[in-house]
Amino acid sequence: KQEVTQIPAALSVPEGENLVLNCSFTDSAIYNLQWFRQDPGKGLTSLLLIQSSQREQTSGRLNASLDKSSGRSTLYIAASQPGDSATYLCAVSPPQGGSEKLVFGKGTKLTVNP
Amino acid sequence: NAGVTQTPKFRVLKTGQSMTLLCAQDMNHEYMYWYRQDPGMGLRLIHYSVGEGTTAKGEVPDGYNVSRLKKQNFLLGLESAAPSQTSVYFCASRRGAYSNQPQHFGDGTRLSIL
Repeated sequence: KQEVTQIPAALSVPEGENLVLNCSFTDSAIYNLQWFRQDPGKGLTSLLLIQSSQREQTSGRLNASLDKSSGRSTLYIAASQPGDSATYLCAVSPPQGGSEKLVFGKGTKLTVNP
Repeated sequence: NAGVTQTPKFRVLKTGQSMTLLCAQDMNHEYMYWYRQDPGMGLRLIHYSVGEGTTAKGEVPDGYNVSRLKKQNFLLGLESAAPSQTSVYFCASRRGAYSNQPQHFGDGTRLSIL
């Protein structure tokens, strides 16, 4: 059974710092990996999706990498801002079936202090 | 473009009562999903649908029923609510199989069972 772990559970950094969030998964047979952001009281917003054949994806100050063989992904946030404060969730989809039944990690709660 | 809309946003029920949560999407997506999010448990898939008229069980389907009579709507029913079903419920949709497009989430329904 696929399990997704995110460490740390919470992270607090000063504004302007570059930071890395970690995600690990137990089964390397995945179709894709997604990073989401969740603001308090809101739903999830997709940030980046990395296909299994890709190594990384970038969007603005965000860069996500994928190492399938080691079962790891990282989300790099450059020059963090208070508006980046949110919970970040990682999710993987299994390769079979195509229904994309995502398996989520429990998230990392990020606080960026001004 | 509303995306994914969930109604109601909040609800309090007594044990044994029934209710239906409605999810509507205006993106012509084939796939739709119901998740529940609980502290310390992360997001878990309840049921999903790969097209109009289809439904399938997810990770935690017991105590819930679903219907997808129209492509744009996905209903989640609780026939006899129990305190263990107190949770935040999220609906999501996705374009289709192997599209490598992300899931789009609604803002959630916060349900309390007394």
